[in-house]
Amino acid sequence: AQKITQTQPGMFVQEKEAVTLDCTYDTSDPSYGLFWYKQPSSGEMIFLIYQGSYDQQNATEGRYSLNFQKARKSANLVISASQLGDSAMYFCAMRGMNTGFQKLVFGTGTRLLVSP
Amino acid sequence: DVKVTQSSRYLVKRTGEKVFLECVQDMDHENMFWYRQDPGLGLRLIYFSYDVKMKEKGDIPEGYSVSREKKERFSLILESASTNQTSMYLCASSPPDRSTDTQYFGPGTRLTVL
Repeated sequence: AQKITQTQPGMFVQEKEAVTLDCTYDTSDPSYGLFWYKQPSSGEMIFLIYQGSYDQQNATEGRYSLNFQKARKSANLVISASQLGDSAMYFCAMRGMNTGFQKLVFGTGTRLLVSP
Repeated sequence: DVKVTQSSRYLVKRTGEKVFLECVQDMDHENMFWYRQDPGLGLRLIYFSYDVKMKEKGDIPEGYSVSREKKERFSLILESASTNQTSMYLCASSPPDRSTDTQYFGPGTRLTVL
C-alpha cells in the first residue's frame, strides 16, 4: 500500500522568505511519481510540480522546487520568495506502478499562511 | 487548457434525498475520479472510471455509486444522502496510465446534508 505523510498541519512564513513543506512517503512500488498541489480558498486543486522516482535531478518549476531524497523517502516542496498569494492548502500525492499509475494517494495537507 | 467542470459549487440536500453530482471534462481523458475532502483527512478516492461504463471502487465507496455513460461525463450518486456525507467533493480526470500525468481537478462541490 502507498502512504503519504504530511506532518505539518500549518506553517507560517513572511513574505519574500523561503519555506519548506514536508512530505514523506511509503511505497513498495519500484516506479512511482510524486506530485504537489495547491488548493486556494476557492477550492480548486492546482498542480504545481512533479518528480519521477527515476529522475536524477530535483524538479523545479519557477519558484517551486522539490527536494527529493529517495533513500529517506521524502519529497519536500520548497517555495522561494513567498508571496501573499501563496497562502493556501498544499497537498503532496503519489501514484505508483502497482496501481497502474491510475490512482493518486494524497496526504492530509499543510496550510500555509504568508504574512506581509 | 484542460477544463473539468462540476454541476454545482454549493449544494444543500436533506437526509434521505437522492443526490447527483455531475462532472464533465473536455480533454477526451480516459480516466475520471471522484474524491471527497474532509479537514484533517486530505482527499480520499470514492470511485474512478478508466473507460465508458467501466468503474472501480476507491477507498471509501460505501454509500455512493457512479455512472459513466459518455466519455466526458462522470456522475456521483448518493442514493440516500446522510449527514456524514456532508463534505467537499472533487472530480478529476487524467490521460491514460503514465506516472508523469497529473490529474486535472474541477472546482469542487461543497455538499451539505441536513
